[in-house]
Amino acid sequence: DAKTTQPPSMDCAEGRAANLPCNHSTISGNEYVYWYRQIHSQGPQYIIHGLKNNETNEMASLIITEDRKSSTLILPHATLRDTAVYYCIVKGDNQGGKLIFGQGTELSVKP
Amino acid sequence: DVKVTQSSRYLVKRTGEKVFLECVQDMDHENMFWYRQDPGLGLRLIYFSYDVKMKEKGDIPEGYSVSREKKERFSLILESASTNQTSMYLCASSLPYGEAFFGQGTRLTVV
Repeated sequence: DAKTTQPPSMDCAEGRAANLPCNHSTISGNEYVYWYRQIHSQGPQYIIHGLKNNETNEMASLIITEDRKSSTLILPHATLRDTAVYYCIVKGDNQGGKLIFGQGTELSVKP
Repeated sequence: DVKVTQSSRYLVKRTGEKVFLECVQDMDHENMFWYRQDPGLGLRLIYFSYDVKMKEKGDIPEGYSVSREKKERFSLILESASTNQTSMYLCASSLPYGEAFFGQGTRLTVV
């Protein structure tokens, strides 16, 4: 079973920030939080990951709570091309670290 | 550019046929994964390999086998294809740590 919980769907207005939440209350100390997205008919695409500090790259920001039980992916200025299913995954960075997907959040960015 | 290449984008096979889905990565990654994706069920892990000749079952291995004779190639085998194996199949690779890269997927139809 996936170790994360996400809302099934969200809407966001174009140009506004999209804040996608994820609960991972059973995360272990050596597990990272990864975010991927899947645009229709394509393979999933990596967005960002983090352990306990907040992270930012050219695509998004990742905010992880101090207790590490939840996180938020922020797309600062959502565009129509950001419409996709967003997956939050916890994964240990070791040789046996399987990548298990949950149901994800379907984000619709509307004009 | 990093690349995960799946041998076919679309495939149609007959019930009972032995089917090979091939995946090749050019990034010298240790980990390789096979998933299937069905509407309403998300991405489900079939098999995972963390080294040459090493494999682990994922969540739904029944009816499938895998082969990893070389580091860059991970094959998914349907021993006797059935209609309930009609699906989108996705391959991915990663280092033991860090992000995974996905292929574009193979849409398999078993008739």
